[in-house]
Amino acid sequence: GAGVSQSPRYKVAKRGQDVALRCDPISGHVSLFWYQQALGQGPEFLTYFQNEAQLDKSGLPSDRFFAERPEGSVSTLKIQRTQQEDSAVYLCASSLARVTPGLNVLTFGAGSRLTVL
Amino acid sequence: AQSVSQHNHHVILSEAASLELGCNYSYGGTVNLFWYVQYPGQHLQLLLKYFSGDPLVKGIKGFEAEFIKSKFSFNLRKPSVQWSDTAEYFCAVNDKADSWGKFQFGAGTQVVVTP
Repeated sequence: GAGVSQSPRYKVAKRGQDVALRCDPISGHVSLFWYQQALGQGPEFLTYFQNEAQLDKSGLPSDRFFAERPEGSVSTLKIQRTQQEDSAVYLCASSLARVTPGLNVLTFGAGSRLTVL
Repeated sequence: AQSVSQHNHHVILSEAASLELGCNYSYGGTVNLFWYVQYPGQHLQLLLKYFSGDPLVKGIKGFEAEFIKSKFSFNLRKPSVQWSDTAEYFCAVNDKADSWGKFQFGAGTQVVVTP
């Protein structure tokens, strides 16, 4: 597609519910990143993928967070047993990392705003 | 640990005023530097980037930034702002040695330009 597409744009969940957030990156982009942006803060790194391989998940805040990209394109971020502190905007970004290693420019999606009640 | 510090959280200024937003980073290696902007209701967009060469970088919409290596700084400037520059601005850093480019962002500066 022309840009990074994320869905849903808004999600309200009751505490304890599971949620799944979807990211459809730009076609051909090798790298895919998930960031969490709390209110009034900058994006915080969660995890990234090179194609289907999850190369770094050091930013995932707990084992309730899980991300996958099984076919190297669409990615899903899943949060189990949501807590109020999970309320944030979850941003997905992609880049053509393989072409110019170390010179990556991220293209962001509009984000999924999660509110946990 | 790698960190990015933006000096101002909120800036309010009038149209035609000059803008300068501070960004300092703390990192032991060689870095690439970026400014991203988020207009109200829109997604993060790249404003400008520095990889190497001339430390004065020009971006879109009349913005520029200067990399001062000795000060670990990458300040953003615009000589004369417009109402449409109202947005949140984020400084970001990534490690040149990291092929896949994990980015570290600052907390952001909310800029409001009044008519």
